[in-house]
Amino acid sequence: QVQLQESGPGLVKSSETLSLSCTVSGGSISSYHWSWIRQPPGKGLEWIGYIFYNGSTNYNPSLKDRVTISVATSRTQFSLRLRSVTAADTAVYYCARTPGSDHVTFFDSWGQGTQVTVSS
Amino acid sequence: DIQMTQSPPSLSASVGDRVTITCRTSQTIYRYLNWYQHKPGTAPKLLIFGGSRLRSGVPSRFSGGGSGTAFTLTISSLQPEDLATYSCQQSYTTPWTFGQGTKVEF
Repeated sequence: QVQLQESGPGLVKSSETLSLSCTVSGGSISSYHWSWIRQPPGKGLEWIGYIFYNGSTNYNPSLKDRVTISVATSRTQFSLRLRSVTAADTAVYYCARTPGSDHVTFFDSWGQGTQVTVSS
Repeated sequence: DIQMTQSPPSLSASVGDRVTITCRTSQTIYRYLNWYQHKPGTAPKLLIFGGSRLRSGVPSRFSGGGSGTAFTLTISSLQPEDLATYSCQQSYTTPWTFGQGTKVEF
């Protein structure tokens, strides 16, 4: 069974870049989309974007100008970079596997999440 | 973006109760609606996809229904382990969006 684990700094300074990695174990990164999702305190979940194993991406327009998702050459990790962060980017960040096709897609395996706080 | 409105934001129920959570969307999403269960400090779990399709391994007391702009998640007989927050998510079009969540408490 595939497992995902987020890693990265828990504290990022305002205006700097948030960088997180997601390690995938127990399965291949191929043939799936892989997403980043976040949950700000007291708010609902927000989809950030996904990457396909071949490198193609799709980002939430609300974050598109600041976000980059990439797959590591090892093909066992994918990463999130969010530039110019503010307090509004404080959230629990999740990575998730996103199988399916056309409109029948969903997040079927998630990491446990990592808290990222943006400080001034 | 498609707006998702869940109700109620929270509910209090007892073991054995039938619980229904509603999710409404700002435009039709046909049946492209998923439901997740989320407990603090743990990874969210997919329960239902495609509106009514029960994920393998999920107890049959969970069921999903609806189409178009109105959907429901029903727990037929609430169990202690069902204490959690439940969120809906549309997969009809990106950006994929979630409801605000419904917290189920005893």
